[in-house]
Amino acid sequence: LAKTTQPISMDSYEGQEVNITCSHNNIATNDYITWYQQFPSQGPRFIIQGYKTKVTNEVASLFIPADRKSSTLSLPRVSLSDTAVYYCLVGVVLTGGGNKLTFGTGTQLKVEL
Amino acid sequence: GAVVSQHPSWVICKSGTSVKIECRSLDFQATTMFWYRQFPKQSLMLMATSNEGSKATYEQGVEKDKFLINHASLTLSTLTVTSAHPEDSSFYICSARQGRVALNTEAFFGQGTRLTVV
Repeated sequence: LAKTTQPISMDSYEGQEVNITCSHNNIATNDYITWYQQFPSQGPRFIIQGYKTKVTNEVASLFIPADRKSSTLSLPRVSLSDTAVYYCLVGVVLTGGGNKLTFGTGTQLKVEL
Repeated sequence: GAVVSQHPSWVICKSGTSVKIECRSLDFQATTMFWYRQFPKQSLMLMATSNEGSKATYEQGVEKDKFLINHASLTLSTLTVTSAHPEDSSFYICSARQGRVALNTEAFFGQGTRLTVV
């Protein structure tokens, strides 16, 4: 199983760029890397997904080095509403095909004024 | 984006009773749905994989007779917590993918159900 390791918590201020790095040393060849955001008492919400190099969407960027053993979620100019737990997930391939998502500890991001 | 809806959002039940939680994919068909449990200040823990038309696959340590899962259609999976006890109090979340499960398919999550057993 591809296990992920993230910092437990991070603090930032409004307007700053936040980079959260996740380690996944035993990622499998077919695994994708996905990041989710979760607010208290809500289900996780998809942020971004990638396989290698760099992916960017309207809310974040995802940087993945060539060896794919880590990935970095970059949130540009965070605001108070970005205070949440961020999870890095690596897909686990099931024997019969398809995959299931296993959540790691996540990173609690706290944004202050 | 696709929507996954859970019902109820919260429920309080007496110890020893059973509670059913529904998970629906509103605008897509989901061959596979996943059930998670989350305790306060902790990460989501995968409980089981729900497969339409077949038996669910439970993770190690999860009692299949305690947590009954039924995936009778491509848009509905249910989780029944049988003979609930206070230690079953938790936040239960389901997720689903569109169509056949692919490696890079985005998973959509329900809003979660807060279960409190008194």
